[in-house]
Amino acid sequence: QVQLLESGPGLVKPSETLSLTCSVSGDSIDGYWWSWLRQPPGKGLQWIGYVYYTGSTKYKPSLKSRVTISVDTSKDQFSLRLTSVTAADTAVYYCARGGDIWQTGAWGPGILVTVSS
Amino acid sequence: SYALTQPPSVSVAPGETARITCGANNIGGTSVHWYQQKPGQAPALVIYYDRDRPSGIPERFSGSNSGNTATLTISRVEAGDEADYYCQVWDSNNDDRVFGGGTKLTVL
Repeated sequence: QVQLLESGPGLVKPSETLSLTCSVSGDSIDGYWWSWLRQPPGKGLQWIGYVYYTGSTKYKPSLKSRVTISVDTSKDQFSLRLTSVTAADTAVYYCARGGDIWQTGAWGPGILVTVSS
Repeated sequence: SYALTQPPSVSVAPGETARITCGANNIGGTSVHWYQQKPGQAPALVIYYDRDRPSGIPERFSGSNSGNTATLTISRVEAGDEADYYCQVWDSNNDDRVFGGGTKLTVL
């Protein structure tokens, strides 16, 4: 069974860049879409974007100007970069397998990223 | 952008039926997925493509979608069903994946 695990800084300063990595184990990264989603504290879910194992990407239109998602198949990892962050970007960030539907058990546990000086 | 409207909360007694709605203009023309999220956990898929259940999801969970409303129905509600529920669609006009605001199901 696939396992995902997010890693990265838990605190980012306003105007700086948020960078997270998702490590995939238990299954190949090949052949799948891989997504980032987030959930502000006490609020709902938001899809950020996905990367296909070939490297092609799709981003949420409202975040497109600030988001880059990339994949490193040699390391079974994919990554998120979000530039010019503000307090509104404070959230639990999840990585998940899939592009349109995200199956149970194919999510990471989530990582809380706080944007604060 | 495509907006999905869910009631903030639904309350039912154990053994009763809970219905959680997800509204949008002509939502019946697209496929709706439903997720259950318990505190501190990642979401779990309970219904996909309007009415299909992933393996391991009880038959008590069912879905429908027509007109301007999609509905997640939970029959014979149990205490363990208490959670937040989110609907989700693919917004084809904007190539976006959109979630509803979520509904907190309380089992009285």
